[in-house]
Amino acid sequence: DAGVIQSPRHEVTEMGQEVTLRCKPISGHDYLFWYRQTMMRGLELLIYFNNNVPIDDSGMPEDRFSAKMPNASFSTLKIQPSEPRDSAVYFCASSSGQAYQETQYFGPGTRLLVL
Amino acid sequence: GESVGLHLPTLSVQEGDNSIINCAYSNSASDYFIWYKQESGKGPQFIIDIRSNMDKRQGQRVTVLLNKTVKHLSLQIAATQPGDSAVYFCAENLSGANSKLTFGKGITLSVRP
Repeated sequence: DAGVIQSPRHEVTEMGQEVTLRCKPISGHDYLFWYRQTMMRGLELLIYFNNNVPIDDSGMPEDRFSAKMPNASFSTLKIQPSEPRDSAVYFCASSSGQAYQETQYFGPGTRLLVL
Repeated sequence: GESVGLHLPTLSVQEGDNSIINCAYSNSASDYFIWYKQESGKGPQFIIDIRSNMDKRQGQRVTVLLNKTVKHLSLQIAATQPGDSAVYFCAENLSGANSKLTFGKGITLSVRP
């Protein structure tokens, strides 16, 4: 299995621009999670999906952030408009959702820099 | 609110020595715990897990200990190697929380040659 795939791996953009991050979870996993990691705040859960349906988006910072999961193999996290304080590493993770299989497997992350 | 926390921000050990990384959790309803390792420039990687009905679990060179009485979790790494240098996170799953994990802030393990 290729693991969780994220793209792009690095993104540099200017303030005000739209940013779209992409994730392909591990095949067969029913849960997908988006995290943001910064030195100051550590690893924060932004939103997670179960069977393509958003379950908890309480971690989404504000309306500039949105996430979708149109099918079981693809999810996007969009920031519009982006701001310098959005600079962080964004991780996608997936898990099986089966009983006693709560382990989340992380992708390599997207390193976002907003100038 | 209840959360997972780590006692020390950094830990420096001599190569070949054993390492012990500690984690305190405050939610007594958590029933599943995981240790992750994050190397520079990479995503967190699963190391080992343990359920609340156990107090010890061993893997290859790693052991996780769970003390539910004092809500304490530890990761022991035997014969620490330079490749073990990374940030380590503990995470907890609240029973019935639909696979949602709560992560601690992380501790850096630095291995001296």
